[in-house]
Amino acid sequence: EIVLTQSPGTLSLSPGERATLSCRASESILYDHLAWYQQRPGQVPRLLIYGISTRATGIPDRFSGSGSGTDFTLTISRLEPEDFAVYYCQQYGRSPEFSFGPGTKVEIK
Amino acid sequence: QMQLQESGPGLVKPSQTLSLTCVVSGDSINTDTSYWSWIRQPAGKGLEWIGHIHSTSGVPNYNPSLKTRVTISGDSAKNQFSLEVRSVTATDTAVYYCARVDFSSGRIVGFGPWGQGTLVTVSS
Repeated sequence: EIVLTQSPGTLSLSPGERATLSCRASESILYDHLAWYQQRPGQVPRLLIYGISTRATGIPDRFSGSGSGTDFTLTISRLEPEDFAVYYCQQYGRSPEFSFGPGTKVEIK
Repeated sequence: QMQLQESGPGLVKPSQTLSLTCVVSGDSINTDTSYWSWIRQPAGKGLEWIGHIHSTSGVPNYNPSLKTRVTISGDSAKNQFSLEVRSVTATDTAVYYCARVDFSSGRIVGFGPWGQGTLVTVSS
């Protein structure tokens, strides 16, 4: 079972700043089976990025994903007020089975 | 537009069985290849994939950590799928979401549409 860890646990930034979130897998991810979700307070998670770097429908281009193997990054180029939320990475395997990372909270500094 | 809606008891006693249903509207659960999934989230904590059922074969797949206590089944006549978690304890207290795994060009994208979630508390 692949275990995902995310860092930092909390990221304190100001609107307009750049956010860099890390996701590390305990072993190499199968193909490009890595996605990112955003969860705002009191809301349902929303798919942001799939296939490591492809933005889901309607996701603004300030969100970008990158990485390979075991190390992945979600970058928010310029934080907007609505971007302060918790972000989860998620991978899936062959069966497929899914797992999520513990999340990174992006909070207003 | 497809929508998912969870329903079920909000309170379950320890050692009993938690049963939830997800009603799907705006799409059929057994026409296109997809996975109809359950995910849970304890208060203030992260997301945990519980398992899913394949849309056309009806074959389930479960999180290994929950496999011995969980059953997911589908009812195409009612266009819904269900979750049972047996022998619950307080650690099963969470918001339970149903969701559909989306595909693009034949490959898995991730969890697309989600239900709003339903809080289930395990307490005597």
